[in-house]
Amino acid sequence: DTAVSQTPKYLVTQMGNDKSIKCEQNLGHDTMYWYKQDSKKFLKIMFSYNNKELIINETVPNRFSPKSPDKAHLNLHINSLELGDSAVYFCASSQDYGWGLSNPGTSGRPAYEQYFGPGTRLTVT
Amino acid sequence: AQSVAQPEDQVNVAEGNPLTVKCTYSVSGNPYLFWYVQYPNRGLQFLLKYITGDNLVKGSYGFEAEFNKSQTSFHLKKPSALVSDSALYFCAVRAPLFNDYKLSFGAGTTVTVRA
Repeated sequence: DTAVSQTPKYLVTQMGNDKSIKCEQNLGHDTMYWYKQDSKKFLKIMFSYNNKELIINETVPNRFSPKSPDKAHLNLHINSLELGDSAVYFCASSQDYGWGLSNPGTSGRPAYEQYFGPGTRLTVT
Repeated sequence: AQSVAQPEDQVNVAEGNPLTVKCTYSVSGNPYLFWYVQYPNRGLQFLLKYITGDNLVKGSYGFEAEFNKSQTSFHLKKPSALVSDSALYFCAVRAPLFNDYKLSFGAGTTVTVRA
């Protein structure tokens, strides 16, 4: 009954290869994210999809391409891997209601916490 | 642009003592604020959030945080720390804009609780 799952957990590959990481959430959330955590533990957003639509696309090399086949899945494909791509990649999901749809007692603004997967440790040699 | 500062890289406390992890933020408008904890080789776990309402919010594992608008702070606190609280803690902020999903994280604070 894992909420946000990622595969694989570890990925070791050589420079120049192409690899994919898969993410699935069973929380019924409508928004999914990819983050990169570097060796200093700094977290940076890479991409986000809301209902299969790309809504966040940070300054990421175009070797990285996300794909969301449906609301519950968000995959990350990386072409021509480089040494600097070595990091831990986290998938996350959240539920963001539209304006006006809110829990009683709130201001009506959408704001929901993100739930993270266990991470995929990518090592490029 | 929104940002978060966690001024302490490390916090060391003795078990049973109060624990405080500091966080200040910068964002336009009223912020949405979050705390997460990361144990070694694990993903981030949500602890608590401030959206609106009472400035003191309570979360998981006995943690609480106080939103202070005048000081733009959202410090995480626990009255009596446990050795098992040793982990990496992240503060995060999100702008209160419709369909602005971006969450900006601080650099993290490593908490060590000694027995």
